[in-house]
Amino acid sequence: AQKITQTQPGMFVQEKEAVTLDCTYDTSDQSYGLFWYKQPSSGEMIFLIYQGSYDEQNATEGRYSLNFQKARKSANLVISASQLGDSAMYFCAMRELGTFGTGTRLTIIP
Amino acid sequence: DTAVSQTPKYLVTQMGNDKSIKCEQNLGHDTMYWYKQDSKKFLKIMFSYNNKELIINETVPNRFSPKSPDKAHLNLHINSLELGDSAVYFCASSQLTSGNHIQYFGAGTRLSVL
Repeated sequence: AQKITQTQPGMFVQEKEAVTLDCTYDTSDQSYGLFWYKQPSSGEMIFLIYQGSYDEQNATEGRYSLNFQKARKSANLVISASQLGDSAMYFCAMRELGTFGTGTRLTIIP
Repeated sequence: DTAVSQTPKYLVTQMGNDKSIKCEQNLGHDTMYWYKQDSKKFLKIMFSYNNKELIINETVPNRFSPKSPDKAHLNLHINSLELGDSAVYFCASSQLTSGNHIQYFGAGTRLSVL
């Protein structure tokens, strides 16, 4: 069975600061993938970033980067220079079986 | 053009009714999914179809029946609606042969059962 754990139900961060959203996972598969999605208050699910278990480099997409530590089974999302528009729910998910974490509600404070 | 589109966006109905939600993707993907998001924002996969074949069927009441007439469509029919079915239902699609299987989501259908 696969499991995603997001231990931060909510976070408040000052605008322009960097923020790290935690995600740990559990799987017995050797090959797997991890996603992060953003869900703003409007409700849509927006794909942010993907990390494959065999990718040698940590994934980056603009201000988003993924701190992938395979031995610790963690795939934390780092958002640099946070903006007000980053306020949203953030979900970590495993590629296989559509397993999602419980999400972290991020609020950026002006 | 919207990549994954769901209709309707809102659905308000009485207990006991039967309703359908439609989903279409124009990304050429081979796999489609249905998710349920409850009031606490918890996302749970319900079904997945690959090339019109059911590949994931989680523990979902058999009142829920997915139908995939072709690779681009995955509809969700719900019989005898109950209060607990109230949620946001998301359709998504991905290409399993792409390696990363990134799922692209529709805008969601908010179902309210009265």
